[in-house]
Amino acid sequence: AQSVAQPEDQVNVAEGNPLTVKCTYSVSGNPYLFWYVQYPNRGLQFLLKYITGDNLVKGSYGFEAEFNKSQTSFHLKKPSALVSDSALYFCAVRDMGGGSQGNLIFGKGTKLSVKP
Amino acid sequence: EAQVTQNPRYLITVTGKKLTVTCSQNMNHEYMSWYRQDPGLGLRQIYYSMNVEVTDKGDVPEGYKVSRKEKRNFPLILESPSPNQTSLYFCASSFLGGGEKLFFGSGTQLSVL
Repeated sequence: AQSVAQPEDQVNVAEGNPLTVKCTYSVSGNPYLFWYVQYPNRGLQFLLKYITGDNLVKGSYGFEAEFNKSQTSFHLKKPSALVSDSALYFCAVRDMGGGSQGNLIFGKGTKLSVKP
Repeated sequence: EAQVTQNPRYLITVTGKKLTVTCSQNMNHEYMSWYRQDPGLGLRQIYYSMNVEVTDKGDVPEGYKVSRKEKRNFPLILESPSPNQTSLYFCASSFLGGGEKLFFGSGTQLSVL
């Protein structure tokens, strides 16, 4: 069965420092991977996705994610964090199982806190 | 403006009193879905719809109903709410399907007393 894990409940970073939010996945076949962000009192917003091709995917707001097949990881990164990046981040994988019609399976979320 | 609109934003009700949370999208999307978000559990899918009159269960469908009579609307119905349905609910839609870029509503915070 497909699954996705976000091993850190919270990540704390100082403004201006690089940030990484971790995600690992388990799928049969080629993975379709996504990152979404949820700002306080808002719905989730799409950041980026990986389907195939270049292992480094660029997305919205200066974020990028690195796909690593051997480590089954899809970590979200940003070279220089902003206080406004503070939010809840969700990794998701497309469920290729027969009963789920290709729906997304979401991780439990990682709260990113960027301090000035 | 392209958007998914949920109403109400906040709802407090009592056990057993039927309620409906509305969801509407103006992007002509085929696919719509409902999720609930609970602390420590992330997002879990309740029901989804691939098109008009086509709905199917997600991971946690018990206690919920949906309908898709029109392409733009996908209401979530709780016939007899219970306290364990207290949660933050999100509606989402997509042009191509559940495994593509989803557009989310702003959420409905439901409290069942």
